[in-house]
Amino acid sequence: NAGVTQTPKFQVLKTGQSMTLQCAQDMNHNSMYWYRQDPGMGLRLIYYSASEGTTDKGEVPNGYNVSRLNKREFSLRLESAAPSQTSVYFCASSEGGGAPLHFGNGTRLTVT
Amino acid sequence: GENVEQHPSTLSVQEGDSAVIKCTYSDSASNYFPWYKQELGKRPQLIIDIRSNVGEKKDQRIAVTLNKTAKHFSLHITETQPEDSAVYFCASLRGGYQKVTFGIGTKLQVIP
Repeated sequence: NAGVTQTPKFQVLKTGQSMTLQCAQDMNHNSMYWYRQDPGMGLRLIYYSASEGTTDKGEVPNGYNVSRLNKREFSLRLESAAPSQTSVYFCASSEGGGAPLHFGNGTRLTVT
Repeated sequence: GENVEQHPSTLSVQEGDSAVIKCTYSDSASNYFPWYKQELGKRPQLIIDIRSNVGEKKDQRIAVTLNKTAKHFSLHITETQPEDSAVYFCASLRGGYQKVTFGIGTKLQVIP
């Protein structure tokens, strides 16, 4: 039982490059989330998926796209990376409806 | 949308003393309030949560209180230990929704 698995753990991009962050959960959770964590700003929601087949914007969606590939997988894509997207990205999942979030180990992304 | 304010941003206590972290929320329809602990370089993990039909909840040295009228909730840690040193995040969730909103975090340092 791995919980929430994120790949990669670290990534360095040049401005303008694209990449996809992968996330998978094996807890049969309905809801999945992408957060970014920056010093002094807490955890800010980028996108979430309340159930398979649906996605919605969070607080800071600009510059990102997401895909809920199936119930297990929720990916985050940066089409044209910018230095402002340098951050630690966490994927999370939950049963939904006021259930706790289970976080992955995070991806540390640096955009130069 | 929901706004969660958390304070203090940093807190230093002597080992054995108590620590209190306070949060306020703006949406009166919020009904679920979790607290997460994040150790350095690790993922956030749930330590305790409370729902709006309960005023207080305890788990060993940790307790959370909720005042719905004032729209604030607090985390209390008694008999602090060095392993309590971490960043603590409060969060809230509006009933029927899936967007969890986080406070900016409190860095707790327990001095041996």
